[in-house]
Amino acid sequence: ETGVTQTPRHLVMGMTNKKSLKCEQHLGHNAMYWYKQSAKKPLELMFVYNFKEQTENNSVPSRFSPECPNSSHLFLHLHTLQPEDSALYLCASSQPGLGYTFGSGTRLTVV
Amino acid sequence: TQLLEQSPQFLSIQEGENLTVYCNSSSVFSSLQWYRQEPGEGPVLLVTVVTGGEVKKLKRLTFQFGDARKDSSLHITAAQPGDTGLYLCAGAERDDSWGKLQFGAGTQVVVTP
Repeated sequence: ETGVTQTPRHLVMGMTNKKSLKCEQHLGHNAMYWYKQSAKKPLELMFVYNFKEQTENNSVPSRFSPECPNSSHLFLHLHTLQPEDSALYLCASSQPGLGYTFGSGTRLTVV
Repeated sequence: TQLLEQSPQFLSIQEGENLTVYCNSSSVFSSLQWYRQEPGEGPVLLVTVVTGGEVKKLKRLTFQFGDARKDSSLHITAAQPGDTGLYLCAGAERDDSWGKLQFGAGTQVVVTP
């Protein structure tokens, strides 16, 4: 347990489904992030939230929609995904000078 | 975009051997971090280096930040099976941690008994 909890751990969804990924941290960190990890590729930053405000959207397609209701919770809403969106989605939180704390990720498979 | 290149991509060694993993960039970073990721888990922070030429040791792991703050290396002495994992380097663009980290693609290390 790292202090950042992601649910679900695994998700299989059809291209017409709507699902949400959840991330929760009680470390007191004010920044939260969504990253996408595909095989043999660098982690891709998707979204950054500082104090609940989105400060970075790294040209992510609109079929991915983030939500940050408070500094402890972060969601990633998914709809009409493509098979190439299958990947490990990682949530992280941070505080200046302390580095990132990652969750265990959600392994997403789009069929 | 600051690109971080890690080498080698894959490394398989026997228990007791030494290994070195490299992380290189053409850009300067304010700090650089190393993470280890095990299957089915997220990356776990090992160390942060911030000063050019800095060397940090974590038991059998030695981390070095290049003088120009563009490259870094991770050296493992007498590797053990528990060192198996994906080693990721990540550079911070700014002095604080609010900024996004640029990650390398990682080096997969396998240590066999």
